[in-house]
Amino acid sequence: DADVTQTPRNRITKTGKRIMLECSQTKGHDRMYWYRQDPGLGLQLIYYSFDVKDINKGEISDGYSVSRQAQAKFSLSLESAIPNQTALYFCATSEDYSNQPQHFGDGTRLSIL
Amino acid sequence: GQNIDQPTEMTATEGAIVQINCTYQTSGFNGLFWYQQHAGEAPTFLSYNVLDGLEEKGRFSSFLSRSKGYSYLLLKELQMKDSASYLCAVRAENYGQNFVFGPGTRLSVLP
Repeated sequence: DADVTQTPRNRITKTGKRIMLECSQTKGHDRMYWYRQDPGLGLQLIYYSFDVKDINKGEISDGYSVSRQAQAKFSLSLESAIPNQTALYFCATSEDYSNQPQHFGDGTRLSIL
Repeated sequence: GQNIDQPTEMTATEGAIVQINCTYQTSGFNGLFWYQQHAGEAPTFLSYNVLDGLEEKGRFSSFLSRSKGYSYLLLKELQMKDSASYLCAVRAENYGQNFVFGPGTRLSVLP
């Protein structure tokens, strides 16, 4: 089983719909992150959480919200989806130590029509 | 904002050596990471540098110069399966101790 699991893997929906992407992890890491990836732009940080009671905005948080329901779960919501939110979304986790890398889920490919 | 730069695309031949560069500007530097990402898949961790010098891991090596804000990933004995994007990521105090990613370098290995 994957250590970082994202659901759904693919989603096609319409403009204006509310969408939730879910992420769960079995690695026991405190830190969790949501990124979006667009061609040629690399990974951009949307939100991050360093523990259950900690939520922080990343560089592109407008139009998104998150919830950290438990140490193992971190969900991303698009309250009213728009076409330019079409992208590949990744959840990641990491340990608290600075020399430790991030571990990524397999991604959610989201298309907004 | 982020100031991490990488070449967009590179091409090399199977069996050859390729060097992928990454330059960055930051304050409170706290480590540089290289990831490999095959198309449509998750990034996977390759290497970590926090001190100046070369770190070697089999066919992959990574170099860091903190004074120059420069790193490179060296891939030896290239194989077709090395065709992927290579992402440079910096962790720094002015990023809230988060990882900031460069745009990635797409490497194509030709037979």
